[in-house]
Amino acid sequence: DAGITQSPRYKITETGRQVTLMCHQTWSHSYMFWYRQDLGHGLRLIYYSAAADITDKGEVPDGYVVSRSKTENFPLTLESATRSQTSVYFCASRGTRGETEAFFGQGTRLTVV
Amino acid sequence: AQSVTQLDSQVPVFEEAPVELRCNYSSSVSVYLFWYVQYPNQGLQLLLKYLSGSTLVKGINGFEAEFNKSQTSFHLRKPSVHISDTAEYFCALRNTGFQKLVFGTGTRLLVSP
Repeated sequence: DAGITQSPRYKITETGRQVTLMCHQTWSHSYMFWYRQDLGHGLRLIYYSAAADITDKGEVPDGYVVSRSKTENFPLTLESATRSQTSVYFCASRGTRGETEAFFGQGTRLTVV
Repeated sequence: AQSVTQLDSQVPVFEEAPVELRCNYSSSVSVYLFWYVQYPNQGLQLLLKYLSGSTLVKGINGFEAEFNKSQTSFHLRKPSVHISDTAEYFCALRNTGFQKLVFGTGTRLLVSP
């Protein structure tokens, strides 16, 4: 099916463990984004990518790593999870035309215990 | 720097009543403006967007918004709400020359019978 999918939808992990959240889009959009959603903060940008092998930091990048070896995939890795990284994570993608909106995945609810 | 302010964290309203969700923004350059809706346990879905031209923008589900450059506002309105409109609403902006969406903190619309 066309669209943007995130996996897993729910994840519980322990402090200090590495965890990777997956994001896959089928539109061949150039731009991809990772946001975290927290009460009182709305959505904050973690990392974004303009194309394969091009990534850049957003507002809250500390503790996260991204890669983009293929246009359709944009995984987000928490190298050593902390309780403060408990959040809902959203992946989004957008085409290259300046006026197009971003399309969002269903989100991954991550709990760090 | 750009920012989006949603003045109301929660707006309770009765079914069939009109509603306005407020959004103010700050940017030194031209912007695109968006309203997204998030239903429980789902991703964000675009309601409407302002790119240029007419300041009154119509979106899905009977929502509309008016861009006011002098007041730097982009308030969302619906003349008659339904129970199914209960959701979180996010205002967002993107500078025309940049790729990143900046979000407000969201407004929870609670529609009761």
